[in-house]
Amino acid sequence: SAVISQKPSRDICQRGTSLTIQCQVDSQVTMMFWYRQQPGQSLTLIATANQGSEATYESGFVIDKFPISRPNLTFSTLTVSNMSPEDSSIYLCSVGAGPQDTQYFGPGTRLTVL
Amino acid sequence: ELKVEQNPLFLSMQEGKNYTIYCNYSTTSDRLYWYRQDPGKSLESLFVLLSNGAVKQEGRLMASLDTKARLSTLHITAAVHDLSATYFCAGPTQGGSEKLVFGKGTKLTVNP
Repeated sequence: SAVISQKPSRDICQRGTSLTIQCQVDSQVTMMFWYRQQPGQSLTLIATANQGSEATYESGFVIDKFPISRPNLTFSTLTVSNMSPEDSSIYLCSVGAGPQDTQYFGPGTRLTVL
Repeated sequence: ELKVEQNPLFLSMQEGKNYTIYCNYSTTSDRLYWYRQDPGKSLESLFVLLSNGAVKQEGRLMASLDTKARLSTLHITAAVHDLSATYFCAGPTQGGSEKLVFGKGTKLTVNP
């Protein structure tokens, strides 16, 4: 299994500002994933954070809006840039434990943009 | 790319009753996941189904996978209030990938 922590757990931000979310895993993993869950909705994959290379983004998400860092095999950050109220969501990081195991999710960061 | 469709999206049931949540997916998938989410919380892994005919049970929940029909089910037996939550199924975007596509979720309310 994997234990994942995220910081901050929640934040209220002003329009136009940026927030960086941290994700820490208790073991080394190749890939880390960032998901967004808008209010009352399901989860949507934002990007895959690869150690040693650029993050790969899903359709509809761009690096300028959601820059990602992956400095080592246990840590990643997601920045939500130039925020608007539409960015109000829960942001979750996750890691896979291998093809025969589940994917583990962090506790999430609840972001409210005013 | 995989598409995942869950139904029903909302389910209200009485304690003690049985019900099934259905998860249809669009293309061949080598595995299927079920998660539970309580309000304001993250996702808790319930089951990973890895092969055709796989059946897993935990307490009052039983999940199965039929890869030929591209269907997974989550069966609830003798529901209790503590099972009230939103349940998601998810599958890899394509074979071998760890990137997941989620269904819209089924919000289950179990009434006393």
